Amino acid sequence: SQKIEQNSEALNIQEGKTATLTCNYTNYSPAYLQWYRQDPGRGPVFLLLIRENEKEKRKERLKVTFDTTLKQSLFHITASQPADSATYLCALGYGGYQKVTFGTGTKLQVIP
Amino acid sequence: DAGVIQSPRHEVTEMGQEVTLRCKPISGHNSLFWYRQTMMRGLELLIYFNNNVPIDDSGMPEDRFSAKMPNASFSTLKIQPSEPRDSAVYFCASSRLTGGRDNEQFFGPGTRLTVL
Repeated sequence: SQKIEQNSEALNIQEGKTATLTCNYTNYSPAYLQWYRQDPGRGPVFLLLIRENEKEKRKERLKVTFDTTLKQSLFHITASQPADSATYLCALGYGGYQKVTFGTGTKLQVIP
Repeated sequence: DAGVIQSPRHEVTEMGQEVTLRCKPISGHNSLFWYRQTMMRGLELLIYFNNNVPIDDSGMPEDRFSAKMPNASFSTLKIQPSEPRDSAVYFCASSRLTGGRDNEQFFGPGTRLTVL
């Protein structure tokens, strides 16, 4: 069966360090993968998209990698700040369709 | 731009009652999505529309759930009759199909539904 797995436990990290979140999937062949941020009581907010033919994508302090052989994406936040504390969701999508399937999310806590 | 607008923000109802959730997508967006989020199951797609036409309703849990999009600026999700297990946060999201760009979805603030 299809499955998208993210770290089920919360990730605690010291301010200034790099936070690394993982998204693993099975029985999918996505054309692209998105990362969203969700704060308590709010809807998810889009951060980045990476396509199957891209290895890495960067945006300011964010970096995403996509390994279709390992069926894994890594999401990095460098120089993390307490304001980065939130739940981060990965979502898998397919070419030509806007439907995406979300992972369960990882809660990140950046400690001052 | 006001973003995606959902109403009500909170709804408390009794089992068996009809519940109607409303959504106004961002102007110019041609796709609309309804999601349900719970701690146990995460964020699940219920149904999505493209140009007001339902494209995929495979996530609708059962016949008690129905969704409509009568025009480009309004959609409803109806649960009739409601049950306690329907308690969740329901999100509406919209996006603009741009031929393979980021396909980002813009989410509304959600409706927290509690069925007693």
